[in-house]
Amino acid sequence: AQSVTQLGSHVSVSEGALVLLRCNYSSSVPPYLFWYVQYPNQGLQLLLKYTTGATLVKGINGFEAEFKKSETSFHLTKPSAHMSDAAEYFCALDTGNQFYFGTGTSLTVIP
Amino acid sequence: GAVVSQHPSWVICKSGTSVKIECRSLDFQATTMFWYRQFPKQSLMLMATSNEGSKATYEQGVEKDKFLINHASLTLSTLTVTSAHPEDSSFYICSAEARGINNEQFFGPGTRLTVL
Repeated sequence: AQSVTQLGSHVSVSEGALVLLRCNYSSSVPPYLFWYVQYPNQGLQLLLKYTTGATLVKGINGFEAEFKKSETSFHLTKPSAHMSDAAEYFCALDTGNQFYFGTGTSLTVIP
Repeated sequence: GAVVSQHPSWVICKSGTSVKIECRSLDFQATTMFWYRQFPKQSLMLMATSNEGSKATYEQGVEKDKFLINHASLTLSTLTVTSAHPEDSSFYICSAEARGINNEQFFGPGTRLTVL
């Protein structure tokens, strides 16, 4: 069965600290993986995506994610958190037939 | 980049009335559009998938007679919440899959529906 699991519904980091948001997936077909960010009362904004090729994907706002097939993971990282990074983050899996969203991780940045 | 708009962005209505939400792909043709519902502090739940010119495919548990979806053209899909009730209050988000751009959905900004 296809699924996406985001570990930790809430993550707090200090400003300037490393951001690590975890995402694991289950897919019977080669996955296309996405990270989206959602600010309050707004839609989803694509941060980055993995389709094929390079497993380390760089996105907007300094975020990057690495696709690790052996670990079925696609964790999102940013070296130094900024206050403006506070938002809800969703990992998503596309199998070609359907999108599967994780339950989301709320990121709080502490000044 | 591909832009998807939704209208209205926020609507408040009385219980029992019907509300129509529009989803438009502004600069590309969308073969498929998706409607999601999001409750506060929760993830997106896929409600239905619509393809231009054909009937929408609803996810299990979604009442197709209550949530009417019309995908009349390659740039427009509408979701009508019929006889709305307070429990229908939610954030509704559409997305569009661009023809020729594989496996990427472009999301609209969402519509907040409040039913009094």
